[in-house]
Amino acid sequence: QKEVEQDPGPLSVPEGAIVSLNCTYSNSAFQYFMWYRQYSRKGPELLMYTYSSGNKEDGRFTAQVDKSSKYISLFIRDSQPSDSATYLCAMRGDDYKLSFGAGTTVTVRA
Amino acid sequence: GAVVSQHPSWVICKSGTSVKIECRSLDFQATTMFWYRQFPKQSLMLMATSNEGSKATYEQGVEKDKFLINHASLTLSTLTVTSAHPEDSSFYICSALLPVDTDTQYFGPGTRLTVL
Repeated sequence: QKEVEQDPGPLSVPEGAIVSLNCTYSNSAFQYFMWYRQYSRKGPELLMYTYSSGNKEDGRFTAQVDKSSKYISLFIRDSQPSDSATYLCAMRGDDYKLSFGAGTTVTVRA
Repeated sequence: GAVVSQHPSWVICKSGTSVKIECRSLDFQATTMFWYRQFPKQSLMLMATSNEGSKATYEQGVEKDKFLINHASLTLSTLTVTSAHPEDSSFYICSALLPVDTDTQYFGPGTRLTVL
């Protein structure tokens, strides 16, 4: 079993729709949770960072963490074609080593 | 924001040769950098942690004699793939920790290595 599970998709939505992404994990030591966006042949770009359980909102992006269920989510409201990318969840414990999900490929259709 | 660069962005080499990839923090000093490998449609896998002035720490299953890491300065870490083989073909990405914000890793753009 992988430490972090993420459905690779692909996920295709029309412009303006809400994109819903999620990851599950097995390591109870994880306390820091991140979402990265990665365009083809580029390095990941940090989108959201959350410590422990709770919600965090930043513009059109909302990140949720439920540590009791070992489940994290990212929602993108009013999706745009420019949001088309691969979204990676990542998490870590007290050290700085990140464990990544496989990434979900999202396409927003104009 | 913090910028991390990598050079080269892509490289093609013959089997048996060695390839060096550079990772630079352009506008900050990074005492800790990380090296990842990403195969097509797969996630990033941490290969090693590079600390300035000390030996790198390799993850289980990563051959330290094959993947040589040197972090000689606060802005530069290098990864050398020695005696490369086709199975080493991959996307190699580095990241750096910002000293004032050690919760965040900033990633370079990656280097695509193709071994013929």
